[in-house]
Amino acid sequence: AQRVTQPEKLLSVFKGAPVELKCNYSYSGSPELFWYVQYSRQRLQLLLRHISRESIKGFTADLNKGETSFHLKKPFAQEEDSAMYYCALSGRGSSNTGKLIFGQGTTLQVKP
Amino acid sequence: KAGVTQTPRYLIKTRGQQVTLSCSPISGHRSVSWYQQTPGQGLQFLFEYFSETQRNKGNFPGRFSGRQFSNSRSEMNVSTLELGDSALYLCASSTIGTVVKTEAFFGQGTRLTVV
Repeated sequence: AQRVTQPEKLLSVFKGAPVELKCNYSYSGSPELFWYVQYSRQRLQLLLRHISRESIKGFTADLNKGETSFHLKKPFAQEEDSAMYYCALSGRGSSNTGKLIFGQGTTLQVKP
Repeated sequence: KAGVTQTPRYLIKTRGQQVTLSCSPISGHRSVSWYQQTPGQGLQFLFEYFSETQRNKGNFPGRFSGRQFSNSRSEMNVSTLELGDSALYLCASSTIGTVVKTEAFFGQGTRLTVV
């Protein structure tokens, strides 16, 4: 079964503290993994994808195929990071690339 | 360039009615996907259209249907509305490569309330 699990509904940290948003997945095959973010009153938007191996706004995510995880990390949280974060996966190949499977989302709250 | 546009932004319908939602993708994007977002189920994939053809379909009843026009604009239709269809419906467009997924850009959604 194809599934994305984000075990935490809410993660609350203080400004300057490290952040780790957890994501585990189940997929038969080789998926592409993404993190999407939704700031208050804004559209859902792509934060980063594993295939790019990039760091966006200080966030990084490493794909661990052995543990089937794609946790999102940031060493020092900022108040502007407060948002809803969704982990998502997509299959490879032209027939699968249009479908995203989302986790339930984690609300990150960064306190001053 | 203009983003993904969904109309209308809000809708209130009565049980048993049908509804049509519209999505205009970013210019040049040929893939349009639809998602249903609810507090209980989160974001669930409805279907994807590419070059006027449905390429992927999620696990929703046949009351949910869609189509795509030659200009890539897409509509989704829900017939015989039920209270449980109340949700935020999101549309996303992308260029879609053959192997690597390109970024999906989301619209602001249509909030459907069924009473």
